Amino acid sequence: KAGVTQTPRYLIKTRGQQVTLSCSPISGHRSVSWYQQTPGQGLQFLFEYFSETQRNKGNFPGRFSGRQFSNSRSEMNVSTLELGDSALYLCASSPGWEQYFGPGTRLTVT
Amino acid sequence: KNEVEQSPQNLTAQEGEFITINCSYSVGISALHWLQQHPGGGIVSLFMLSSGKKKHGRLIATINIQEKHSSLHITASHPRDSAVYICAVFKYSGGGADGLTFGKGTHLIIQP
Repeated sequence: KAGVTQTPRYLIKTRGQQVTLSCSPISGHRSVSWYQQTPGQGLQFLFEYFSETQRNKGNFPGRFSGRQFSNSRSEMNVSTLELGDSALYLCASSPGWEQYFGPGTRLTVT
Repeated sequence: KNEVEQSPQNLTAQEGEFITINCSYSVGISALHWLQQHPGGGIVSLFMLSSGKKKHGRLIATINIQEKHSSLHITASHPRDSAVYICAVFKYSGGGADGLTFGKGTHLIIQP
């Protein structure tokens, strides 16, 4: 089976812009979770989608949003980018409790 | 205080040494993960535990639910084991489980 894929892998945006990141889960996995990794805060949970519904949400402002499509692919969107949003964004798909991580999207906000 | 604490933060050892990384958590959990992250960012899940002990090759993970503690052991360590090892837990909530809560990671360097 193909692994979790994320696009794009690298992205540079300007403060105030918005960005959309994409995640394609492993075939058959219905759960997709998103995580942010920064040097200061480490890894933090953003949200989880299961069968097109947000099932859990971490402690992030409303500028961070996501959705999941009927084929389980997921997107996350960050609006009004801030310098502090520069991070590695990881998604993980899951058939249950196991987590299979994608390679991540490295976002730089200038 | 972080809900998931790892020790040590940094560890440098010689090839062949037995390595132990510890993880303590202060919340009720549904499951605990040990993750490995190499430079460049990719994360691999090594183990998922809810009780007892698991072994995969040279890696062993144990968990003590009563003491809220888990350990990751590496036997016959090798330079390719150099990576960041991260402990993460699914906190138990009444409706199931929240997303993963992560420790800060242990930076492991194995010197030849």
